[in-house]
Amino acid sequence: QSALTQPASVSGSPGQSITISCTGTSSDVGAYDYFSWYQQYPGNAPKLMIYDVTNRPSGVSNRFSGSRSGNTASLTISGLQAEDEADYYCSSYTSNNNHVVFGGGTKLAVL
Amino acid sequence: EMQLVESGGGLVQPGGSLRLSCAASGFTFSVWWMTWVRQAPGKGLEWVANIKHDGSEKYYVDSVKGRFTISRDNTRELLYLQMNSLRAEDTAVYYCATVGHIVGVTAVRFDSWGQGTLVTVSS
Repeated sequence: QSALTQPASVSGSPGQSITISCTGTSSDVGAYDYFSWYQQYPGNAPKLMIYDVTNRPSGVSNRFSGSRSGNTASLTISGLQAEDEADYYCSSYTSNNNHVVFGGGTKLAVL
Repeated sequence: EMQLVESGGGLVQPGGSLRLSCAASGFTFSVWWMTWVRQAPGKGLEWVANIKHDGSEKYYVDSVKGRFTISRDNTRELLYLQMNSLRAEDTAVYYCATVGHIVGVTAVRFDSWGQGTLVTVSS
């Protein structure tokens, strides 16, 4: 069982906006800004999409945005495109064991 | 362009050993903390180990302590993971990655990833 909780799947139509949630605790998501989102296509390596809750690395589309409220962080993808269909993982620093923990992943389907 | 290429995976029996390698190119390898992250089939990601840029500090997830050893050769721009006493639960794709941000001794962000190498532990 993953330390951070994500929905198993989310879906949306092209052009729509979707949000993927990642719920943790006051020892991780709710306490620190060291929170990231990764995108992974099947059989491929993960790619960093959001870091420090809201920041986008150079080259990542501004259709991707991050936010947080309490112990839950969210990834929002606006103007959904077919190429966004992938698995998305969240990660956070945790003070429980001073490690980084990941969510179980969310499969995004673009219908 | 940053590039990481893992190798060394394969099928090994429980209790066996394997050494993974990760060849880096396109960046100054010797100034980066590096890490190994694994992903069991159909499962999520799990951080495994970190190593400081000069190899002087190494950190491991509890489940591999005493069995796995991370190391690096900055002259040859190679990262290694020596895996001993392998168990079925170590079966996973192993990724090497650059550490984008360290908090204390914890890697909290992974910037560039290799394509991974599959390790299967089975009799």
